[in-house]
Amino acid sequence: DVQMTQSPSSVSASVGDRVTISCRASHDISSWLAWYQQKPGKAPNILIFDASSLQSGVPSRFSGSGSGTDFTLTISSLQPEDFATYYCQQASSFPYSFGQGTKVEVK
Amino acid sequence: QVQLQESGPGLVKASETLSLTCSVSGGSMNTYFWSWIRQPPGKGLEWLGYINYIGSTHYNPSLKGRVTISVDTSRNQFSLKVNSVAAADTALYYCARGSLLGSTLVFDYWGQGTLVTVSS
Repeated sequence: DVQMTQSPSSVSASVGDRVTISCRASHDISSWLAWYQQKPGKAPNILIFDASSLQSGVPSRFSGSGSGTDFTLTISSLQPEDFATYYCQQASSFPYSFGQGTKVEVK
Repeated sequence: QVQLQESGPGLVKASETLSLTCSVSGGSMNTYFWSWIRQPPGKGLEWLGYINYIGSTHYNPSLKGRVTISVDTSRNQFSLKVNSVAAADTALYYCARGSLLGSTLVFDYWGQGTLVTVSS
């Protein structure tokens, strides 16, 4: 099974900050990686697919990069609506798996 | 607009079977991968499995064969059964649509989630 490890588990930031979240896969997953945002009491929402492609309707301040085992989600200028928990998900092999999440909190 | 809605009991006794149904509206069930994902309170996401419109399935082996997913395209529904439940199965259960975006299977539409509590 592919294990997904995110870091940090939480990050404190202010509006306007650049925020970077890392995701590491235990095996090479090429670019079969997605990123989701989850707000309290809501289902996750897809942000990025194929490691770096922005889902339609997602603001361009979100970007993804990486391939193989190391991936990054970047929020270029944090907005108030971006305080949430972010998850990476691999779709390279079964069982599909998620990282444990990174909570972006108000500093 | 595609919408998914989970339904089923919110309380299940330990050792019994958890059964949930997901109703899909606003789109066809063809060509997609209809999934169940759960989230224990305060924890992360676990993919349980999926079924496609012709009934092919993949399950997460972490549930040790306790999971069955079925589909009824005539009613635009798919279902989840987890047998021999225990306290560790207490979670918010989501149904979700799996779509191939680019080369990646992602979950692009989700239900609101339904909390299932396993009682002793």
